[in-house]
Amino acid sequence: DTEVTQTPKHLVMGMTNKKSLKCEQHMGHRAMYWYKQKAKKPPELMFVYSYEKLSINESVPSRFSPECPNSSLLNLHLHALQPEDSALYLCASSHSGTGFYGQYFGPGTRLTVT
Amino acid sequence: SQQGEEDPQALSIQEGENATMNCSYKTSINNLQWYRQNSGRGLVHLILIRSNEREKHSGRLRVTLDTSKKSSSLLITASRAADTASYFCATDALRDGGTSYGKLTFGQGTILTVHP
Repeated sequence: DTEVTQTPKHLVMGMTNKKSLKCEQHMGHRAMYWYKQKAKKPPELMFVYSYEKLSINESVPSRFSPECPNSSLLNLHLHALQPEDSALYLCASSHSGTGFYGQYFGPGTRLTVT
Repeated sequence: SQQGEEDPQALSIQEGENATMNCSYKTSINNLQWYRQNSGRGLVHLILIRSNEREKHSGRLRVTLDTSKKSSSLLITASRAADTASYFCATDALRDGGTSYGKLTFGQGTILTVHP
């Protein structure tokens, strides 16, 4: 199984809502990533988990809260988001977090904040 | 600013032609990777070239890397309509001590359109 799955595919939320994005992989990868991508722009790294520990936080606002419950699962908890947070959120995984390997991406969650 | 800058920003060709995209970067790297993205969906890893490699092939893809010029190119031969997508280079940069940051920084991308 070489697939990274993400749920939901689409999410619309108000600025006072709390929601979560979910990402799962069963390739035995030990590094998982969250990216944010705006239209016609490249993905921007948000967080990296390596061996279930948060190893990189790219100065992301605290209204985004990542969680890695186990080596296969990655969540992104959302609270009090702003309209400018509307974007495609991509999850990825790789063999390790050393940068030696390519990353496998999920199809993304398209988030709209109203 | 983005580590990788790509050109052209957009490329339009006919099926059967070759497509070449270029990527420039600013710092020392561990490796450089190319990804494809179809209309706002997830990215697909195409090829990875390490800093001590100069050329790599995978099917119809050919990647070159020139670390002295801090540049890479992706050549897609005999293009097909299904190759229509955005193509991104991504670099795994090195710290001053020579260790990887453990993250990728993506270039702005090239939008390739292949007309049937």
